[in-house]
Amino acid sequence: GESVGLHLPTLSVQEGDNSIINCAYSNSASDYFIWYKQESGKGPQFIIDIRSNMDKRQGQRVTVLLNKTVKHLSLQIAATQPGDSAVYFCAENDSGGSNYKLTFGKGTLLTVNP
Amino acid sequence: DTEVTQTPKHLVMGMTNKKSLKCEQHMGHRAMYWYKQKAKKPPELMFVYSYEKLSINESVPSRFSPECPNSSLLNLHLHALQPEDSALYLCASSQEGGDRVTGELFFGEGSRLTVL
Repeated sequence: GESVGLHLPTLSVQEGDNSIINCAYSNSASDYFIWYKQESGKGPQFIIDIRSNMDKRQGQRVTVLLNKTVKHLSLQIAATQPGDSAVYFCAENDSGGSNYKLTFGKGTLLTVNP
Repeated sequence: DTEVTQTPKHLVMGMTNKKSLKCEQHMGHRAMYWYKQKAKKPPELMFVYSYEKLSINESVPSRFSPECPNSSLLNLHLHALQPEDSALYLCASSQEGGDRVTGELFFGEGSRLTVL
């Protein structure tokens, strides 16, 4: 079946560097994407979302880029901080199918070294 | 702090026990979800309630029984579970309806279940 996946399962960066977490998706009908952050022992926390009619969306220290041609999504974190250490999941939804079925990717563990 | 509250945070039960997980939200959301998450894996959808009616059941075994008493509450009743059911059970809620602005799910902290 179609799924959302990630290129890198782990990423280690130095504090202050920029981080880039990648995600590949295969469902060409997906039109809504979300990045979640999950810290140890906690539930996933919304970071930023993007709809398929956009290529880029910026938040506070985070930017999501969407390349529909190659079905690729990325999360950029500027000036990474130790508090950014967590597992990051991309998730996708095909609103033409069901608004409720959010499919999560495998996750990337981000470790920020002081 | 999450606006979705789950209790208990931790639960240990035997295979013959009956227990329940509870979830509450007061954001006026009309869609509520149960997800199961194994260690180092992404959340997997189990059930979706929309306007207090079961909308999606992802072929979950009948030993898991969801219940939505009202628009703010969601329960997951557990009976005759297996050790492989040990996991983090996450509740989530979202806006609902044609005017839904975002597909964002708001997650609780989860209930960590251990089946002995």
